[in-house]
Amino acid sequence: DAGITQSPRHKVTETGTPVTLRCHQTENHRYMYWYRQDPGHGLRLIHYSYGVKDTDKGEVSDGYSVSRSKTEDFLLTLESATSSQTSVYFCAISESQSSGGANEQFFGPGTRLTVL
Amino acid sequence: AQKVTQAQTEISVVEKEDVTLDCVYETRDTTYYLFWYKQPPSGELVFLIRRNSFDEQNEISGRYSWNFQKSTSSFNFTITASQVVDSAVYFCALFSNSGYALNFGKGTSLLVTP
Repeated sequence: DAGITQSPRHKVTETGTPVTLRCHQTENHRYMYWYRQDPGHGLRLIHYSYGVKDTDKGEVSDGYSVSRSKTEDFLLTLESATSSQTSVYFCAISESQSSGGANEQFFGPGTRLTVL
Repeated sequence: AQKVTQAQTEISVVEKEDVTLDCVYETRDTTYYLFWYKQPPSGELVFLIRRNSFDEQNEISGRYSWNFQKSTSSFNFTITASQVVDSAVYFCALFSNSGYALNFGKGTSLLVTP
């Protein structure tokens, strides 16, 4: 199994509070991703990173920011949590995307976030 | 635009039946990759297979098989002699070199009953 951990695994918070989710990998993979999973929507990309300090927006990035100060850690921050951000959040890693094709993404165990 | 459609929202079968999960994709790219992931009730996402657009050869892995047909833009997944442990949500996903991440279908929930 790919070495990916997410913390916390469960969190309940109140509307308006800041929340940071952490993804940590031990595989030294270049690419890291944050997805959210909601019933009826499958998985949707929030942000991704293609290297240290290199990040970009995904399909549903509004209300979220990310940071990657070192290869192994990718942080997702909800500056002011809203009830619509109640979801399961998955981190994923991938070795490469180019020249050789898309490598499979390996997923962390997920974080269940509830915003009251 | 890239899109993955899994038209079957839920499927219920009795153990030992064969079941096929459909996946239809859309992309303008000639180079792309298709994936299947399994999400059991425990919630983790498990990688099952990756195929590239230049390889239409069908693949079999134990009770699992995949049928890739570019002519119909489909990448269907068949489970032979289903078992209760196959109960899960299965996601089909697409990656193309003009994009930057996987595009997932909405998933098919498979329930296998004894």
